[in-house]
Parts: sequence; C-alpha cells; structure tokens
Amino acid sequence: EPEVTQTPSHQVTQMGQEVILRCVPISNHLYFYWYRQILGQKVEFLVSFYNNEISEKSEIFDDQFSVERPDGSNFTLKIRSTKLEDSAMYFCASSEGGISTDTQYFGPGTRLTVL
Amino acid sequence: GQSLEQPSEVTAVEGAIVQINCTYQTSGFYGLSWYQQHDGGAPTFLSYNALDGLEETGRFSSFLSRSDSYGYLLLQELQMKDSASYFCAVPGSARQLTFGSGTQLTVLP
Repeated sequence: EPEVTQTPSHQVTQMGQEVILRCVPISNHLYFYWYRQILGQKVEFLVSFYNNEISEKSEIFDDQFSVERPDGSNFTLKIRSTKLEDSAMYFCASSEGGISTDTQYFGPGTRLTVL
Repeated sequence: GQSLEQPSEVTAVEGAIVQINCTYQTSGFYGLSWYQQHDGGAPTFLSYNALDGLEETGRFSSFLSRSDSYGYLLLQELQMKDSASYFCAVPGSARQLTFGSGTQLTVLP
C-alpha cells in the first residue's frame, strides 16, 4: 500500500540553525500539508500546498518557515533559524483531492529537537 | 476560526463499547473526520462524515448532527490495541485540518 515517507526520523539541531525536513507524498496525490505536534498536545496545521504554491498557512507558519516541491516527488519544510519552541514532531500529509472525501495520509513524522 | 471540544480521557474494558463525543464551532463546515494516533505514531484516518447520520466501518462507527454541531466516534468490541488517542478534525476551505485536543482512550483487560 502506498505511504507517505519522511526523513530524517529524528533531527537534533542548535538554536539558530537551519533545518530541512523532507517528505515524499503518495505519488498520485495533489495536495500536500505540513503539521506539527508539540509533545502531549494536539496536531496543528502549518501549511497546505497545491499546484506548486501555498494554498493556506497558519499563524505559526511565519517568515522563518518555507516549503518547496523541488522535483516531482519531494516536499520539503525549511526552518531558517530554529528556536527552542520549534521542538516538536513534524508530520507531512498528502491527499488525492477528491470531492466528497479527501482523506489525508500522514507520514511517520520527524521529531525535531532544538537545543 | 475553528474550535473543537472533546473529552481528554476515556477508560473502558476489553469487549465494551465506548463513545467519544466532539462538538465543534466552525466558520464554514465541510465535514467531520476522526483520526487515531498511537503513542509516537502518525495520525491514521478512521472515518469522515459530511452528512448527518451514522457511518459504519467494521468495529468503528461515526455519527454527525450538523444542526447540533456534534459528532461522535463509537468503538465496539474494544481490544487492547484500541488504546490510543482519538482526534476529531474539521477541514477548512483549503482542506487544512483543524484538530481537537484529542481523547486518550485506555482499554483495560
């Protein structure tokens, strides 16, 4: 069964450093998303991406964040200058874009630890 | 904006039935989804209701009442492996999901 994959599974970085989180969505999906989950809290939406552009972003997704689909398969999230409060699990998700239901399939996540 | 309320914890015994409620307030409504998340794992889609009524998928069912802004997830014949967090979620206009705070279900032997 096709699945969303993410690398790395765990990233440790120093405050102020740049990190890039990578995702490979399911191949025939058209919509891509990034979410984050701080330990013990709910999943929070960061950004959605369709047709090679951002379709929606949350208040969390400030100028320090960017997304890119550099080729036909990868979808990346970059944090330019990490802060302690960026420590969280980051999930990538993708969906087909159907009309009646649009199930989002989540990857296993990247645990980001900012020291 | 969107907000969803669900109980923080529910405990039940193996073989029992449990219901997890979710009430929501949204600026536009497209449907109510339910996701399961085991510790440290990815959220996994369980069900989606766009219209009022009950949707059944095996041991899991989900109900929606749009007039009451209310839905629930019903888990039957509980198994130990059902111990997890369950989130209700609503999609926005760009399909982005807003999640509730989650309900931690503990299944006891």
